[in-house]
Amino acid sequence: EAQVTQNPRYLITVTGKKLTVTCSQNMNHEYMSWYRQDPGLGLRQIYYSMNVEVTDKGDVPEGYKVSRKEKRNFPLILESPSPNQTSLYFCASSSSFRGTGDNEQFFGPGTRLTVL
Amino acid sequence: DAKTTQPPSMDCAEGRAANLPCNHSTISGNEYVYWYRQIHSQGPQYIIHGLKNNETNEMASLIITEDRKSSTLILPHATLRDTAVYYCIVRVARSGGYQKVTFGTGTKLQVIP
Repeated sequence: EAQVTQNPRYLITVTGKKLTVTCSQNMNHEYMSWYRQDPGLGLRQIYYSMNVEVTDKGDVPEGYKVSRKEKRNFPLILESPSPNQTSLYFCASSSSFRGTGDNEQFFGPGTRLTVL
Repeated sequence: DAKTTQPPSMDCAEGRAANLPCNHSTISGNEYVYWYRQIHSQGPQYIIHGLKNNETNEMASLIITEDRKSSTLILPHATLRDTAVYYCIVRVARSGGYQKVTFGTGTKLQVIP
């Protein structure tokens, strides 16, 4: 089954304790992205990657790091989490542009993070 | 990427057509219009996309105005399961893949029995 998986699904942590949220896709997609969702603010892009070793900032990258060492994985790293990073996080993937616009994003189930 | 504007909320009677508008007045020629929906706090789900022609699939129809500055997503026979937040985004199509994507806050559609 084609899917995007995220782990963990729920996490409660404390300020300053480094954490990693993993994201993996089995569709051989080139493009992967992380979003956060907060009440009233919709989905905001954190980082994206167009392929292995190619990453770039989205709209809200502060406080986050990413890496893309393998095509299927795109972990989100919070080196020193703070309470304002409490949010619902989504990972997504899509294929690269092939001229038809058939590059819809497939989203993971989400990770609900609480930083105390 | 062009920004989009959507009404924050809409109601629709069950069984009737739901017409969700989206304004993307600054869209450029190589940007596609995509629609997604999010049910509760699940991951958003792709619905449909288009460039300049109207499109239809098993879920919905997409009507894009001739000047491409706005579009309408049509759910022909809304059911209670269509209650969700609907996002309209525009995304540039260029070789090497899409880049930054802006989702906005979407339209919360409430289907009423």
